[in-house]
Order: sequence, then structure tokens, then C-alpha cells
Amino acid sequence: AQSVTQLGSHVSVSEGALVLLRCNYSSSVPPYLFWYVQYPNQGLQLLLKYTTGATLVKGINGFEAEFKKSETSFHLTKPSAHMSDAAEYFCAVGRGSGGSNYKLTFGKGTLLTVNP
Amino acid sequence: NAGVTQTPKFQVLKTGQSMTLQCAQDMNHNSMYWYRQDPGMGLRLIYYSASEGTTDKGEVPNGYNVSRLNKREFSLRLESAAPSQTSVYFCASTQQGAGNTIYFGEGSWLTVV
Repeated sequence: AQSVTQLGSHVSVSEGALVLLRCNYSSSVPPYLFWYVQYPNQGLQLLLKYTTGATLVKGINGFEAEFKKSETSFHLTKPSAHMSDAAEYFCAVGRGSGGSNYKLTFGKGTLLTVNP
Repeated sequence: NAGVTQTPKFQVLKTGQSMTLQCAQDMNHNSMYWYRQDPGMGLRLIYYSASEGTTDKGEVPNGYNVSRLNKREFSLRLESAAPSQTSVYFCASTQQGAGNTIYFGEGSWLTVV
């Protein structure tokens, strides 16, 4: 069974500082990995995803994540935080072989606060 | 292009009342999902429908029923609402296939008193 652990329910950074949000997964098969962002009172928006190929994945708004199989990790980074990055971030693993049983399992989320 | 549309956006129910959350997508997706979001719990899958005419239980199906009315619409029904069902509900959809992006609606805030 797949599962996702996000380390740190709340991360606080200063504007311009590095953003690092941690995600570890467990999966019995090669995983499909996702990061979603949720702004207050809104739905979830895809930031980036890893399916196959290059392990460093670039997403929207300057975010990127690296799939490290040996560490079972998919950490999200951004070199320089902006006030508009304040939101909740969810890591997810896609499970199922496709076809009739494909679905996402989510971590519990990390709330990112950006201080001026 | 509306994407995934949910109604209502806000609802207050009394314990024991019933209601249906409606969801429609205009992306011609095969698969649709209902998740609930609770503080500190992330999103948990209630039910999903891989294709028109099929539905399956997710992680937390108790107290809910679903109907895949057609390819576009997937409704979630609470037959006898309980305070434990106070939550934010998200409908989502995707084109069938492992690794495909799942697209979410804006959410429905439900309070059961």
C-alpha cells in the first residue's frame, strides 16, 4: 500500500529565503508523485508531477522537486520565497495500475508562511 | 472552460438531514472522485468512479452514497448527516490512466450542527 509523509505541518520562511518542503513516500511499485498547492478557500492546483524520466521536475511559480528513489523522497524547493507563495502544500502519490483503479493518496499537508 | 464545478459552495445542515452535493466536469474525463478535507488530515478519498456506470469505495465511505449520473456528473449524498461529516468536500476528475493529473473543484463547505 502507498503512503505519504510530509515532515512539518507548518514551515515559516522569510521573503527571499529558500523554501524546502519535505515529502517521503512508500510504494511497492514505481510511484507517480505530485505536489499540489491550495490557497485559502480554494481548490487544489497542480504544481508539478513526476511520472517517468528526468528525476528533477520543474513546475509552476518557480518550484521544482527531485525524485530520489534511494531516499524515497520527493522534496519541493524554491530558491527564493515570495509573499504570494503562502499557502498549503500537499504531496501525493498516485496508486493503481491505471485503468479502473487509479487514485491519489495525499499527505497531511504543510502550511507555508512567508514573512516580510 | 469551467473545469470541475461543485454545488453548493456552502451548506449548513441539522443532524439527521439529508443532502446531495453535485459535481460536473466539462473536460470529457472518464474518472471522477470525491474527497473530504479535514484540518491536519489532508485529503481522504470517499468514493470514486473509474468510468460511467461504475463506483467504488475509497478510504472513508461510511455515511455516504454516490451516483455517476452520466460521464459529466458525479453526485455525493449524505443520507443522515452527522456532525462528524462537517468538512470541506472536493470533487475531482481525470482522464483514465496512471500518472495523469487529477483536477479539483473549488470545494463545498459543509457544516452539520
